Amino acid sequence: KAGVTQTPRYLIKTRGQQVTLSCSPISGHRSVSWYQQTPGQGLQFLFEYFSETQRNKGNFPGRFSGRQFSNSRSEMNVSTLELGDSALYLCASSHQLTLPDEQFFGPGTRLTVL
Amino acid sequence: DQQVKQNSPSLSVQEGRISILNCDYTNSMFDYFLWYKKYPAEGPTFLISISSIKDKNEDGRFTVFLNKSAKHLSLHIVPSQPGDSAVYFCAASGAGANSKLTFGKGITLSVRP
Repeated sequence: KAGVTQTPRYLIKTRGQQVTLSCSPISGHRSVSWYQQTPGQGLQFLFEYFSETQRNKGNFPGRFSGRQFSNSRSEMNVSTLELGDSALYLCASSHQLTLPDEQFFGPGTRLTVL
Repeated sequence: DQQVKQNSPSLSVQEGRISILNCDYTNSMFDYFLWYKKYPAEGPTFLISISSIKDKNEDGRFTVFLNKSAKHLSLHIVPSQPGDSAVYFCAASGAGANSKLTFGKGITLSVRP
């Protein structure tokens, strides 16, 4: 079974630009969550999508948005990039059929904002 | 307000000895606790979990202990191996089907040969 894939793996943008990151979950998983990892801050939850609906949202500004498609693939968009948005963005999928809900992570997209 | 705390940012142990990674939480509604391991340039991978009805769960060299009254859990790795060197994240969730995971900041474990 293929794992969670994220594209692109690396991205360099400049302040003010926008960026779209993509995540393909494990086949059969309907839940996709996004996290931001920065040095010293651990994994901070951005949002979770389940069956194309945003079900949970973290404490991030509205510049961060996402969506999920009918095939469970998900995209995350960040508009008006700031230097502080430089981070590793991780996507995780789960089937949510049992508890605890073990999440399977992709390798992440390393975003650098110059 | 950080609900899952890993107060020690790093830990260094000798190969063959025990590694003890600690985690504290504040939300009494958490029902499940998970540990993830992360190597550089890779996403975190699930290691072991424990539910709040248990106080211990063991899987090979890895054992997680839960003290609900103290809102504290720990991950023991015995014996520690150089390949265990990684960042370890503690995470917690409620019992609801749509309860999200809340992660700590992580602990960097270094196992010296």
